[in-house]
Amino acid sequence: GAGVSQSPSNKVTEKGKDVELRCDPISGHTALYWYRQSLGQGLEFLIYFQGNSAPDKSGLPSDRFSAERTGGSVSTLTIQRTQQEDSAVYLCASSSRVFYNEQFFGPGTRLTVL
Amino acid sequence: QKEVEQDPGPLSVPEGAIVSLNCTYSNSAFQYFMWYRQYSRKGPELLMYTYSSGNKEDGRFTAQVDKSSKYISLFIRDSQPSDSATYLCAMSALGTDTGNQFYFGTGTSLTVIP
Repeated sequence: GAGVSQSPSNKVTEKGKDVELRCDPISGHTALYWYRQSLGQGLEFLIYFQGNSAPDKSGLPSDRFSAERTGGSVSTLTIQRTQQEDSAVYLCASSSRVFYNEQFFGPGTRLTVL
Repeated sequence: QKEVEQDPGPLSVPEGAIVSLNCTYSNSAFQYFMWYRQYSRKGPELLMYTYSSGNKEDGRFTAQVDKSSKYISLFIRDSQPSDSATYLCAMSALGTDTGNQFYFGTGTSLTVIP
């Protein structure tokens, strides 16, 4: 079956522009996570969705970051007024309700802010 | 102090060697311990998943958890060039005060030389 997909794979933008990153989780997976991975850093938790519950936004670094998940499936991470320090790989992962510790990751979106 | 500490390496070994990768952590509430492998420009993939203390073996890979020392290890026997990747440890305490978060190490870069 299809794994987690993310688009675009690469995004280059200018400082101050808004960007949208998309994640398609594995069909039937109720949990969806967004992470940020910077060079030399571990995965930084950003936001967590579980079914129809309110998302856990505790990892979002600033109010320029937001995410939504429509219909319990596709998720979009939006970064407004991008800054150079936002340059990183943004990873999405999904897991099932039963095996919630087994996260399946997408290939990531490499964001470069010039 | 970071929640999870992992030596970034890089680690370089000859083919056939036994590799030992380690992480330490500070939160005694962690109960679930995972090891991920990440190839260059790919998303992490789950290798091993352990609950609480003890050992778990899967082929050439063995995961060990010592909760009393807050120390986890991944051993790779008969290492192969295809094992060359970055290995990330991750842990969680889902259902406790730590919420829904997974905590990742920074990753150890491994190269197996033919």
